[in-house]
Amino acid sequence: DAGVIQSPRHEVTEMGQEVTLRCKPISGHDYLFWYRQTMMRGLELLIYFNNNVPIDDSGMPEDRFSAKMPNASFSTLKIQPSEPRDSAVYFCASSSGGGNTIYFGEGSWLTVV
Amino acid sequence: AQSVAQPEDQVNVAEGNPLTVKCTYSVSGNPYLFWYVQYPNRGLQFLLKYITGDNLVKGSYGFEAEFNKSQTSFHLKKPSALVSDSALYFCARPALPDSGAGSYQLTFGKGTKLSVIP
Repeated sequence: DAGVIQSPRHEVTEMGQEVTLRCKPISGHDYLFWYRQTMMRGLELLIYFNNNVPIDDSGMPEDRFSAKMPNASFSTLKIQPSEPRDSAVYFCASSSGGGNTIYFGEGSWLTVV
Repeated sequence: AQSVAQPEDQVNVAEGNPLTVKCTYSVSGNPYLFWYVQYPNRGLQFLLKYITGDNLVKGSYGFEAEFNKSQTSFHLKKPSALVSDSALYFCARPALPDSGAGSYQLTFGKGTKLSVIP
């Protein structure tokens, strides 16, 4: 089975540009998570969805960040406008809930210059 | 919110020696606990979890962890370290006390870098 698929794997963009990160969760999983990893703050949960509905977005740093899940097989995390402090690795993860394991994608490595 | 702590930023061990990566958890709420590993430039991979039952949990790649309620610890162990075990290890638990064993909304420790020296 394919795991969680993220794209792009690497992106370098200029400050002020819009960035869109994409995620395809594992088929059949009803929870989807977006995490951010930085050296300073470690792993932070940004937002998670259950059955395509955002449940908790309290980790989203500010209004420049938005996430959508239009269907069970696709989610996006958008940053507009991007800033250098947004440089990080963004992980998408999914699970079927109920005590089951969270599976992570390989991450999107974002550099904002 | 529930939390975990990993007291060591880095652990060095010689190849073939036993390894231990430490994790302690806050007493409040349920003691559902997880270990994940992150190899360089990769995503996190699940190693093992404790939900209930036997205090010694066996996981992937020969790793195991011991749940110790009196010491509020969940240390990761392996009898004989391999160079390929060198990676970043994360302890985690559900962020909310009423989230049951559901693995949603996990909160992670800061991670421990394990270096296995040939």
